[in-house]
This record gives sequence, structure tokens and C-alpha cells, in this order.
Amino acid sequence: EAQVTQNPRYLITVTGKKLTVTCSQNMNHEYMSWYRQDPGLGLRQIYYSMNVEVTDKGDVPEGYKVSRKEKRNFPLILESPSPNQTSLYFCASSVQGNPDTQYFGPGTRLTVL
Amino acid sequence: SQQGEEDPQALSIQEGENATMNCSYKTSINNLQWYRQNSGRGLVHLILIRSNEREKHSGRLRVTLDTSKKSSSLLITASRAADTASYFCATDPLSGNTPLVFGKGTRLSVIA
Repeated sequence: EAQVTQNPRYLITVTGKKLTVTCSQNMNHEYMSWYRQDPGLGLRQIYYSMNVEVTDKGDVPEGYKVSRKEKRNFPLILESPSPNQTSLYFCASSVQGNPDTQYFGPGTRLTVL
Repeated sequence: SQQGEEDPQALSIQEGENATMNCSYKTSINNLQWYRQNSGRGLVHLILIRSNEREKHSGRLRVTLDTSKKSSSLLITASRAADTASYFCATDPLSGNTPLVFGKGTRLSVIA
């Protein structure tokens, strides 16, 4: 089944404790992206990747890192999480180098205490 | 960055009625997409309309695009309770490799 998977789905952590949210897609998509969704602010892009080893900042990259060592994986790293990073995070992928129809993962709800 | 803006923010209708949501954006685009999100879950792509298209249909969905007004509308006909969700427009800007930009969404409630 073609899908985008994220892990974990739910995470409660404390300020400053490094964490990684994994994202994997099995559709051989070139383009992958991370978004955060907050009430009243809609979806905001954190980082995106056009292909392996190519990553770029989105609208709200501060406090996040990403890597794209393999085509299928695009982990989101929070080196030192803070409470303002409490949010619902979505990974997405699409076929082309430019954004086209995006396939979204199920979301990761992160709470930073 | 530019952002699509959906209107209204929330819409409540009776089952069987039609629902219309609008999206306005600021700069020229390659295409505009509509997505649906059930509460707390991932977005699901509904329909993509390219800048040279004016109207597109998919089942009970009808999307129009007016590039001169920089606006699009999504019409859901004969709505069902299962259509209750948030609907987002997303624009693919014409300028370079710029990421998709999502609006804040319209929350649709269909009452049985």
C-alpha cells in the first residue's frame, strides 16, 4: 500500500531533550516536506527536500533540523525542544521535484513540557 | 510568503445542501490544489486545477479558478455528514522552486 508513515504518532517530552520524528514513504517520491499545524495558523512548512541530499528551509525552520540521506526517509530533528514547538506535525511527499499532489502522513502530536 | 486565504472560516449546513468555499491568493501560480482534513488526521488531496484551467469536476466536487481575480472556489454538492472536515487550498507559486503554500482552512460541518 502506498503510504507515508510517521513515528511516533504521539510524544510527550520535556524541554531540551533531543528528539527525532521519522518519516518514510514507499512511493519513490522525490519531494518530501515537513509541516506543523497550529490552531488559527493553518499549516506552515518547516523544511522541504527536492531530492536526496537537497534540503531547504520553509517558513518556520528555526529550532528544527532535517536530513535526506535516502530517498524514502526524511527525519525531523528537534535538538533542544521548547514548549513553543508543541504542535501537530505532518510529513508529506510528492512525485515531482516541484510540489504537486502531496501525500500526507497521519501526523505526530508533540507536546513539549 | 504568500498564503491562500479560505473563506468562510467555518460553514455549517444541512445534509443534502451544497457547500461552497472560496480561496484567494496573492501571486501567480502554476496550480491550485484543494485538500481535506478530518479532525487531527493527515490531509488528503482532493483535486488539482492548473492555471490554464477554469473548471474541474471530480464526483460531487466542482472547482473553479479565476486567475484574473486570483481566486478559486470549491463546491461540494449534495453534502453528506461524512463531508464534515476542514478544507484547505494550497497554491503552487509560479516563481521558481517555491513550496506549496497552504491557507488556514474552512471548517465544514454537515448536520444530518
